[in-house]
Amino acid sequence: ELKVEQNPLFLSMQEGKNYTIYCNYSTTSDRLYWYRQDPGKSLESLFVLLSNGAVKQEGRLMASLDTKARLSTLHITAAVHDLSATYFCAVGLEGNTGKLIFGQGTTLQVKP
Amino acid sequence: NAGVMQNPRHLVRRRGQEARLRCSPMKGHSHVYWYRQLPEEGLKFMVYLQKENIIDESGMPKERFSAEFPKEGPSILRIQQVVRGDSAAYFCASSPNSPGQPQHFGDGTRLSIL
Repeated sequence: ELKVEQNPLFLSMQEGKNYTIYCNYSTTSDRLYWYRQDPGKSLESLFVLLSNGAVKQEGRLMASLDTKARLSTLHITAAVHDLSATYFCAVGLEGNTGKLIFGQGTTLQVKP
Repeated sequence: NAGVMQNPRHLVRRRGQEARLRCSPMKGHSHVYWYRQLPEEGLKFMVYLQKENIIDESGMPKERFSAEFPKEGPSILRIQQVVRGDSAAYFCASSPNSPGQPQHFGDGTRLSIL
């Protein structure tokens, strides 16, 4: 059974600092997603990573994928308060299935 | 272009009653997924459906839970004889024809069992 583990689970940081969230998964996969969730809200798609070495950037967030290490990272550059949210990685199983396995989530708190 | 629509947003049921959660996918999306989220946890996959077909129900509890996506109308997640442990947020997501595309999520239904 595919397992997805994120760390850290909770991250408190000052505005302007950089940090990385890690997402490890236990078996081969052909796609990985990052989502953001604000309290009481739905999930917003941030990135789709489909190949080894894929790197995508949007604003202060950058995601990368290393399929050989079964690792994805979400890097935050010069954090701002608006980035405070819970971030989930989700891994799709190989083959023609839509099932996603989610990590536990990383709650990010950016302090002014 | 309307997003994934779920209703109701909040649902309160007493133990033993039935809960029906509805999900209309985004226009043009033929794949629907249901997930459950307990407080402070990630989402757990329940079921994946296409029109009139259940593709993967490996995350569905064996009893009391069922899902359908009829030819016409929304997808329905039905929970019979609810128990306190069913209290959770239930999210529906949809994607277009290729399951590799990102799933777009609805706002969820918060189910509370008294």
